[in-house]
Amino acid sequence: AQSVTQLGSHVSVSEGALVLLRCNYSSSVPPYLFWYVQYPNQGLQLLLKYTSAATLVKGINGFEAEFKKSETSFHLTKPSAHMSDAAEYFCAVVPSGNTPLVFGKGTRLSVIA
Amino acid sequence: EAQVTQNPRYLITVTGKKLTVTCSQNMNHEYMSWYRQDPGLGLRQIYYSMNVEVTDKGDVPEGYKVSRKEKRNFPLILESPSPNQTSLYFCASRGVATRTDTQYFGPGTRLTVL
Repeated sequence: AQSVTQLGSHVSVSEGALVLLRCNYSSSVPPYLFWYVQYPNQGLQLLLKYTSAATLVKGINGFEAEFKKSETSFHLTKPSAHMSDAAEYFCAVVPSGNTPLVFGKGTRLSVIA
Repeated sequence: EAQVTQNPRYLITVTGKKLTVTCSQNMNHEYMSWYRQDPGLGLRQIYYSMNVEVTDKGDVPEGYKVSRKEKRNFPLILESPSPNQTSLYFCASRGVATRTDTQYFGPGTRLTVL
């Protein structure tokens, strides 16, 4: 079964510091991977997605993620954290075309002034 | 504007009183889904539907019903709510043309069952 594991349920960084949120996947077929963000009291919105076109994927709000097949990882990064980045972040995988997204348990990002 | 709408956004009810949470999308998506979100458990899928009149159980279907009579609507029904169904619920939709189609989420419905 396809799955994703997010390491760390809570990550705290200082404003201006590097943001690194980890996601590892297991998949028997080439995976298609997504990062979603959930701001307080809101639904989830797409940050970025890996579609096999390029291993380094750029998303909204300065985030990017790199697909590393050898490490089965799709970690999310941002060079400099902003207070507005405080949110919950979810990694997800689509096992195949007509199956549901499988989500990780989420990582809550706190940004300290 | 492409969107998924849910109603109500907030609901407090009592045990056993039937309720329906509506979900509607305007993107002509085939696929719709319901999730519940609980602290420490992430998003868990309740039911999903690949098209009209086609529904399937997700990971946590017990205590819930759904129907898909029209492509745009996918209501979630709790026939006899219980306190363990207190949660934040999200509806989502996406096209199924490719595996990379983006899934869109509604704003959520916070349900409290007393």
